Amino acid sequence: AQSVTQPDIHITVSEGASLELRCNYSYGATPYLFWYVQSPGQGLQLLLKYFSGDTLVQGIKGFEAEFKRSQSSFNLRKPSVHWSDAAEYFCAVGPYGNKLVFGAGTILRVKS
Amino acid sequence: DTGVSQNPRHKITKRGQNVTFRCDPISEHNRLYWYRQTLGQGPEFLTYFQNEAQLEKSRLLSDRFSAERPKGSFSTLEIQRTEQGDSAMYLCASRTSGRAPSSTDTQYFGPGTRLTVL
Repeated sequence: AQSVTQPDIHITVSEGASLELRCNYSYGATPYLFWYVQSPGQGLQLLLKYFSGDTLVQGIKGFEAEFKRSQSSFNLRKPSVHWSDAAEYFCAVGPYGNKLVFGAGTILRVKS
Repeated sequence: DTGVSQNPRHKITKRGQNVTFRCDPISEHNRLYWYRQTLGQGPEFLTYFQNEAQLEKSRLLSDRFSAERPKGSFSTLEIQRTEQGDSAMYLCASRTSGRAPSSTDTQYFGPGTRLTVL
């Protein structure tokens, strides 16, 4: 069965510091992987996605993620966090064209 | 591209009442998904449509839940005899369906309808 684990429920970083959010998945075939961000009371916005090819993918707002098949991971990174990045981040996995399975999310707090 | 819209944004109802939510997908998208998100959790898949055909339903979708997409455009999700456990954010997403992965293979989410059952 498909599953996604985001080990960190909350992360707090200082503004300007680097960020890494962890995501581990369980999936029996070639995964399609996504990171979404959700601000309070809002829907989900796609940050980036991985289907195939280069394992380092670039997304919007300066985010990037690296797919590591051997570790079943798809961690999200940003070199310098801005206060506006405070939100909840969700990793998701799915087969092509079908439903997504989401992790429980990581809440990012940014200290000024 | 006006994005996915959902109405109402908030709904408060009493236990036992019926509620209906509407989702308007991005106009050229033929796939439409419903998810439910409870506090502290990620969205959970409920059901999806390709055009007007409902292709998959989750076990989460009890008999009290029904979804329709009669003309392959907007969709409605109805919950009958609401229970307090139905309180959640109901999210709708849409996408195109192609034959191979492409830049269009993204589910675009609406703002959600937050349901509170008293």
